[in-house]
Amino acid sequence: AQSVTQPDIHITVSEGASLELRCNYSYGATPYLFWYVQSPGQGLQLLLKYFSGDTLVQGIKGFEAEFKRSQSSFNLRKPSVHWSDAAEYFCAVGARGGNKLVFGAGTILRVKS
Amino acid sequence: DTAVSQTPKYLVTQMGNDKSIKCEQNLGHDTMYWYKQDSKKFLKIMFSYNNKELIINETVPNRFSPKSPDKAHLNLHINSLELGDSAVYFCASSLSFEGPATQETQYFGPGTRLLVL
Repeated sequence: AQSVTQPDIHITVSEGASLELRCNYSYGATPYLFWYVQSPGQGLQLLLKYFSGDTLVQGIKGFEAEFKRSQSSFNLRKPSVHWSDAAEYFCAVGARGGNKLVFGAGTILRVKS
Repeated sequence: DTAVSQTPKYLVTQMGNDKSIKCEQNLGHDTMYWYKQDSKKFLKIMFSYNNKELIINETVPNRFSPKSPDKAHLNLHINSLELGDSAVYFCASSLSFEGPATQETQYFGPGTRLLVL
């Protein structure tokens, strides 16, 4: 069975600074990987996804993530954070052909001005 | 032109009551899901239906019963509500539950915040 670990519960960055949110997964084969964002009181919005091919994937809102098989990681990055990026970010892994998403516990991003 | 919608957005009720949450998607997807997000923001899948048929049924009390009248709708009925049922319930949909990768991407509704008193 697959599992996801997001080691950082909270992260605080200054507006304009770079951001990296960590995600490690456990799965026996090549997984499907996703990052979702949840703003306060809102639903989940898909930021980006990785299925195969280029290991660096681009998403919405200037986010990108890199799949590193050797490290079982799928870290989310943004070169310059905006105050509107403050939210909770969830990494998720899906088994191919099974379509059951397993989510990490989430990382709360705070942006200080 | 909301893709995945849920009603109600908020639901406050007493212990022991029976309640329903509705979900509709206008994306033409075949597969729909219910997730529960607990107080610690941990998201866990409950059910999945593909074209009105149950395909995923996690360890969920049988007080929870999903019903899919057609592939665009997946409703969640909860009987004899308990305090521990308080959570945010998310509906999601995907084009299919297997096949080419892009068909498995799940799109989520805004959530229903259930509070049991």
